[in-house]
Amino acid sequence: GNSVTQMEGPVTLSEEAFLTINCTYTATGYPSLFWYVQYPGEGLQLLLKATKADDKGSNKGFEATYRKETTSFHLEKGSVQVSDSAVYFCALSVIQGAQKLVFGQGTRLTINP
Amino acid sequence: NAGVTQTPKFRVLKTGQSMTLLCAQDMNHEYMYWYRQDPGMGLRLIHYSVGEGTTAKGEVPDGYNVSRLKKQNFLLGLESAAPSQTSVYFCASREVKGPRFSTDTQYFGPGTRLTVL
Repeated sequence: GNSVTQMEGPVTLSEEAFLTINCTYTATGYPSLFWYVQYPGEGLQLLLKATKADDKGSNKGFEATYRKETTSFHLEKGSVQVSDSAVYFCALSVIQGAQKLVFGQGTRLTINP
Repeated sequence: NAGVTQTPKFRVLKTGQSMTLLCAQDMNHEYMYWYRQDPGMGLRLIHYSVGEGTTAKGEVPDGYNVSRLKKQNFLLGLESAAPSQTSVYFCASREVKGPRFSTDTQYFGPGTRLTVL
Protein backbone atom coordinates (compact mmCIF):
# COMPACT_ATOMS: atom_id res chain seq x y z
CA GLY A 1 0.00 0.00 0.00
CA ASN A 2 0.86 3.67 0.08
CA SER A 3 2.51 5.09 3.17
CA VAL A 4 4.64 7.96 4.42
CA THR A 5 7.17 7.82 7.25
CA GLN A 6 8.57 10.93 8.91
CA MET A 7 11.34 11.32 11.44
CA GLU A 8 10.19 11.12 15.02
CA GLY A 9 9.66 14.35 16.84
CA PRO A 10 9.65 16.59 18.63
CA VAL A 11 12.52 18.54 17.14
CA THR A 12 13.91 21.51 19.07
CA LEU A 13 16.41 23.91 17.50
CA SER A 14 17.85 27.32 18.18
CA GLU A 15 17.06 30.25 15.93
CA GLU A 16 19.20 30.39 12.76
CA ALA A 17 20.00 26.66 12.95
CA PHE A 18 19.81 24.40 9.90
CA LEU A 19 16.71 22.23 9.70
CA THR A 20 16.18 18.82 8.14
CA ILE A 21 13.01 16.77 8.59
CA ASN A 22 13.27 13.38 6.94
CA CYS A 23 10.43 11.89 4.93
CA THR A 24 10.38 8.59 3.03
CA TYR A 25 7.50 7.03 1.18
CA THR A 26 6.17 3.80 -0.28
CA ALA A 27 3.82 4.09 -3.21
CA THR A 28 2.42 2.30 -6.21
CA GLY A 29 2.68 4.31 -9.38
CA TYR A 30 4.17 7.79 -9.51
CA PRO A 31 3.13 9.90 -6.54
CA SER A 32 3.07 13.63 -6.09
CA LEU A 33 4.73 14.68 -2.83
CA PHE A 34 3.76 17.47 -0.45
CA TRP A 35 4.79 19.19 2.75
CA TYR A 36 2.04 20.76 4.84
CA VAL A 37 2.47 22.95 7.93
CA GLN A 38 0.07 23.30 10.85
CA TYR A 39 0.48 26.29 13.14
CA PRO A 40 -1.03 26.08 16.64
CA GLY A 41 -4.81 26.09 16.62
CA GLU A 42 -5.06 26.20 12.82
CA GLY A 43 -5.71 23.88 9.92
CA LEU A 44 -3.03 22.62 7.56
CA GLN A 45 -1.48 24.83 4.89
CA LEU A 46 0.37 23.63 1.82
CA LEU A 47 4.03 24.56 2.19
CA LEU A 48 5.49 23.09 -1.00
CA LYS A 49 5.07 20.24 -3.42
CA ALA A 50 6.80 18.28 -6.20
CA THR A 51 5.07 16.24 -8.85
CA LYS A 52 7.86 14.25 -10.48
CA ALA A 53 11.31 12.86 -9.81
CA ASP A 54 14.11 15.42 -9.30
CA ASP A 55 11.63 18.29 -8.94
CA LYS A 56 12.45 20.71 -6.13
CA GLY A 57 9.63 22.41 -4.27
CA SER A 58 10.37 25.62 -2.40
CA ASN A 59 8.52 28.23 -0.36
CA LYS A 60 9.32 30.62 2.51
CA GLY A 61 12.96 29.45 2.57
CA PHE A 62 11.98 25.76 2.82
CA GLU A 63 13.05 23.30 0.14
CA ALA A 64 12.48 19.62 -0.62
CA THR A 65 13.67 17.53 -3.57
CA TYR A 66 11.77 14.53 -4.93
CA ARG A 67 14.28 11.65 -4.88
CA LYS A 68 12.84 8.61 -6.63
CA GLU A 69 15.97 6.48 -6.14
CA THR A 70 15.80 6.83 -2.35
CA THR A 71 11.99 7.33 -2.18
CA SER A 72 12.55 10.44 -0.09
CA PHE A 73 11.33 14.04 0.15
CA HIS A 74 13.30 15.60 3.00
CA LEU A 75 12.38 19.11 4.14
CA GLU A 76 15.24 21.59 4.67
CA LYS A 77 15.70 25.19 5.69
CA GLY A 78 19.01 26.94 6.04
CA SER A 79 18.15 29.27 8.93
CA VAL A 80 15.02 28.72 11.00
CA GLN A 81 13.08 31.39 12.86
CA VAL A 82 10.89 31.25 15.95
CA SER A 83 7.88 31.75 13.66
CA ASP A 84 8.66 28.39 11.98
CA SER A 85 7.54 26.56 15.13
CA ALA A 86 4.71 24.29 13.97
CA VAL A 87 3.87 20.70 13.08
CA TYR A 88 5.07 19.59 9.65
CA PHE A 89 3.40 16.83 7.65
CA CYS A 90 4.77 15.00 4.65
CA ALA A 91 2.13 13.58 2.31
CA LEU A 92 1.72 11.83 -1.02
CA SER A 93 -1.00 11.42 -3.61
CA VAL A 94 -1.02 8.74 -6.27
CA ILE A 95 -4.43 9.28 -7.83
CA GLN A 96 -4.32 12.44 -9.89
CA GLY A 97 -8.10 12.64 -10.32
CA ALA A 98 -9.21 12.76 -6.69
CA GLN A 99 -5.91 13.68 -4.98
CA LYS A 100 -6.46 11.41 -2.00
CA LEU A 101 -3.65 12.46 0.32
CA VAL A 102 -1.78 9.98 2.52
CA PHE A 103 -0.06 11.72 5.42
CA GLY A 104 2.90 10.94 7.62
CA GLN A 105 2.46 11.18 11.36
CA GLY A 106 3.74 14.74 11.60
CA THR A 107 6.86 16.24 13.19
CA ARG A 108 6.54 18.94 15.83
CA LEU A 109 9.22 21.62 15.47
CA THR A 110 10.03 24.14 18.19
CA ILE A 111 12.48 26.96 17.59
CA ASN A 112 13.96 28.69 20.62
CA PRO A 113 15.19 32.30 20.43
CA ASN B 1 -13.84 35.34 1.09
CA ALA B 2 -13.89 33.19 4.23
CA GLY B 3 -12.17 30.15 2.68
CA VAL B 4 -13.09 26.90 4.43
CA THR B 5 -15.14 27.15 7.61
CA GLN B 6 -16.20 24.40 10.01
CA THR B 7 -19.03 24.27 12.52
CA PRO B 8 -18.86 23.65 15.44
CA LYS B 9 -15.32 24.22 16.74
CA PHE B 10 -15.75 21.98 19.78
CA ARG B 11 -18.28 19.34 20.80
CA VAL B 12 -18.66 16.76 23.53
CA LEU B 13 -20.96 13.80 22.92
CA LYS B 14 -22.04 10.80 24.92
CA THR B 15 -21.66 7.33 23.42
CA GLY B 16 -24.58 6.60 21.11
CA GLN B 17 -25.50 10.22 20.39
CA SER B 18 -25.55 11.55 16.86
CA MET B 19 -24.31 14.78 15.36
CA THR B 20 -23.47 16.49 12.10
CA LEU B 21 -20.35 18.50 11.34
CA LEU B 22 -20.72 21.20 8.72
CA CYS B 23 -18.03 22.28 6.29
CA ALA B 24 -18.57 25.26 4.01
CA GLN B 25 -16.36 26.75 1.31
CA ASP B 26 -16.90 29.90 -0.71
CA MET B 27 -14.25 29.27 -3.37
CA ASN B 28 -16.47 27.31 -5.78
CA HIS B 29 -14.28 24.22 -5.53
CA GLU B 30 -15.56 20.91 -6.86
CA TYR B 31 -13.59 18.60 -4.57
CA MET B 32 -14.10 18.43 -0.82
CA TYR B 33 -12.68 16.09 1.82
CA TRP B 34 -13.12 15.06 5.45
CA TYR B 35 -10.10 13.94 7.49
CA ARG B 36 -9.55 12.94 11.08
CA GLN B 37 -6.36 13.71 12.96
CA ASP B 38 -5.23 11.50 15.81
CA PRO B 39 -2.02 11.79 17.86
CA GLY B 40 0.94 10.10 16.20
CA MET B 41 -1.06 9.12 13.12
CA GLY B 42 -1.22 12.20 10.93
CA LEU B 43 -4.44 12.82 9.02
CA ARG B 44 -6.56 10.03 7.56
CA LEU B 45 -9.18 10.47 4.86
CA ILE B 46 -12.73 9.58 5.92
CA HIS B 47 -14.83 10.49 2.87
CA TYR B 48 -14.51 12.80 -0.07
CA SER B 49 -16.60 14.32 -2.85
CA VAL B 50 -15.68 15.17 -6.43
CA GLY B 51 -18.72 17.37 -6.98
CA GLU B 52 -22.22 18.26 -5.90
CA GLY B 53 -24.32 15.17 -5.30
CA THR B 54 -21.36 12.76 -5.22
CA THR B 55 -19.51 11.13 -2.33
CA ALA B 56 -16.92 8.38 -1.99
CA LYS B 57 -15.23 6.43 0.80
CA GLY B 58 -11.75 7.19 1.96
CA GLU B 59 -9.37 5.25 4.17
CA VAL B 60 -11.46 5.14 7.38
CA PRO B 61 -15.17 5.54 6.45
CA ASP B 62 -16.78 3.19 8.99
CA GLY B 63 -19.15 4.89 11.44
CA TYR B 64 -19.49 8.03 9.31
CA ASN B 65 -21.83 9.22 6.59
CA VAL B 66 -21.56 12.27 4.36
CA SER B 67 -23.71 14.35 2.05
CA ARG B 68 -22.98 16.98 -0.59
CA LEU B 69 -26.38 18.41 -1.51
CA LYS B 70 -24.93 21.82 -2.32
CA LYS B 71 -21.58 22.48 -3.93
CA GLN B 72 -20.42 24.75 -1.12
CA ASN B 73 -21.31 22.42 1.76
CA PHE B 74 -20.00 19.01 2.80
CA LEU B 75 -21.62 17.43 5.87
CA LEU B 76 -20.12 14.69 8.01
CA GLY B 77 -22.51 12.68 10.17
CA LEU B 78 -21.99 10.38 13.10
CA GLU B 79 -25.15 8.30 13.62
CA SER B 80 -24.07 6.61 16.86
CA ALA B 81 -20.92 8.11 18.32
CA ALA B 82 -18.26 5.89 19.89
CA PRO B 83 -15.24 6.83 22.04
CA SER B 84 -12.99 5.71 19.15
CA GLN B 85 -14.35 8.67 17.19
CA THR B 86 -12.79 11.14 19.60
CA SER B 87 -10.55 13.13 17.30
CA VAL B 88 -9.97 16.42 15.54
CA TYR B 89 -11.84 16.59 12.25
CA PHE B 90 -10.62 18.66 9.33
CA CYS B 91 -12.43 19.55 6.18
CA ALA B 92 -10.62 20.58 3.01
CA SER B 93 -11.54 21.80 -0.45
CA ARG B 94 -9.34 21.50 -3.48
CA GLU B 95 -8.47 24.10 -6.07
CA VAL B 96 -7.46 22.69 -9.45
CA LYS B 97 -6.62 24.88 -12.40
CA GLY B 98 -4.16 25.41 -15.18
CA PRO B 99 -2.59 23.02 -17.66
CA ARG B 100 -1.60 19.63 -16.20
CA PHE B 101 -2.88 20.63 -12.78
CA SER B 102 -0.26 23.36 -12.41
CA THR B 103 -2.31 24.66 -9.48
CA ASP B 104 -3.55 21.80 -7.34
CA THR B 105 -3.95 22.72 -3.68
CA GLN B 106 -6.12 21.55 -0.81
CA TYR B 107 -7.28 24.29 1.58
CA PHE B 108 -8.05 23.18 5.11
CA GLY B 109 -10.54 24.48 7.63
CA PRO B 110 -9.60 25.21 11.26
CA GLY B 111 -10.90 21.89 12.56
CA THR B 112 -13.54 20.56 14.95
CA ARG B 113 -12.42 18.95 18.19
CA LEU B 114 -14.85 16.15 19.09
CA THR B 115 -14.82 14.21 22.35
CA VAL B 116 -17.04 11.16 22.80
CA LEU B 117 -17.47 10.05 26.42
